[in-house]
Amino acid sequence: QVQLVQSGAEVKKPGASVKVSCKASGYTFTSYGISWVRQAPGQGLEWMGWISAYNGHTNFAQKLQGRVTLTTDTSTNTVYMELRSLRSDDTAVYYCASTSVYSPSPFDYWGQGTLVTVSS
Amino acid sequence: SSELTQDPAVSVALGQTVRITCQGDSLRSYYASWYQQKPGQAPVLVIYGKDNRPSGIPDRFSGSSSGNTASLTITGAQAEDEADYYCDSRDSSGNHVVFGGGTKLTVL
Repeated sequence: QVQLVQSGAEVKKPGASVKVSCKASGYTFTSYGISWVRQAPGQGLEWMGWISAYNGHTNFAQKLQGRVTLTTDTSTNTVYMELRSLRSDDTAVYYCASTSVYSPSPFDYWGQGTLVTVSS
Repeated sequence: SSELTQDPAVSVALGQTVRITCQGDSLRSYYASWYQQKPGQAPVLVIYGKDNRPSGIPDRFSGSSSGNTASLTITGAQAEDEADYYCDSRDSSGNHVVFGGGTKLTVL
């Protein structure tokens, strides 16, 4: 069955970077895309961006453009999300979710979430 | 602010039918998807496309759309349906994904 397993919780200082991984199993990695969605404490869901594991095409939310990078490692079926210049309002649970190889949504399967805390 | 608008909270009596709505101009061009999220858990896709349910989602969940409004209907709500529900679709450019603010469903 499809599984997305994310890396563990992180604590970072303002201005630092964080890199979260999402390891996929149970399907052909390059036949799908991966979107990243975050959820601040007590708040709703926010889409961050998407990468096609087929051709590496990416698409990002405007407010995060320039601060977020998505990459894939097809040798390990892993997608990485790096967020730079962290601020306190980046504190959130970060989810990866599988999508069509051609479209950033809908989100079929979700990872378990990774809590990123930004605090001085 | 979100380009998709949901009521913050809705309640339904056990076994009754409830409709959760999502409004936005982009819904005239794109279908909404719906996600159920229970406390401390990742969201789960319950409806996508015109009215499609992923495997394992009970058939009491259905979706519909009219004009700028998409709806998620739960026919015969169960206690386990108490959760937050989020819609998503595309923004006005069609290039990006946006979520509604979420609806907290209480089953009385």
